[in-house]
Amino acid sequence: SQKIEQNSEALNIQEGKTATLTCNYTNYSPAYLQWYRQDPGRGPVFLLLIRENEKEKRKERLKVTFDTTLKQSLFHITASQPADSATYLCALLNSGGYQKVTFGIGTKLQVIP
Amino acid sequence: DTAVSQTPKYLVTQMGNDKSIKCEQNLGHDTMYWYKQDSKKFLKIMFSYNNKELIINETVPNRFSPKSPDKAHLNLHINSLELGDSAVYFCASTPGQGSSEQFFGPGTRLTVL
Repeated sequence: SQKIEQNSEALNIQEGKTATLTCNYTNYSPAYLQWYRQDPGRGPVFLLLIRENEKEKRKERLKVTFDTTLKQSLFHITASQPADSATYLCALLNSGGYQKVTFGIGTKLQVIP
Repeated sequence: DTAVSQTPKYLVTQMGNDKSIKCEQNLGHDTMYWYKQDSKKFLKIMFSYNNKELIINETVPNRFSPKSPDKAHLNLHINSLELGDSAVYFCASTPGQGSSEQFFGPGTRLTVL
């Protein structure tokens, strides 16, 4: 069966360090992978999109990697700040068929001052 | 200017009632979605409309009926509400079918007593 796995345990890191979040998937052939941020009581907000033929994407302090062999994406936040504390969701768009986006359960990140 | 808006923000109702949630987007997008986020924070797609046409209908009970009067609006009507329908419902829109970022509304927290 298809699965998207994110570390559902909270990730606590010290301010200034790099946070690395993992998204693993099985039985998908994603054309795209997206990362979203969700704050409590709010809807998810899009951060980055990476295509299957891209290895890495950057945006300011954010970096995403996509390894279709390992079936894994890593999401990095460098020089983390308390304001980065939120839940981060990865989402896959499967190639072929209906183009729907399927979300992982998210990883809660807590940046400690 | 709110890009994707939903009403109401909170909805508390008794089992067996019928209720509606409204969604509007002013982004000029062609595709709109309804998602359900349950108590475990899992965000699951329910429906998708592209230019008022239903394109995705996941295995959702037929008590749930989406309606799109025009491409800027996607409403969700729920008949005979059950306890298990309690969740946060998010509306989202995207310029194309799933291949680009999704813009989410603020969510509607539905509580069925």
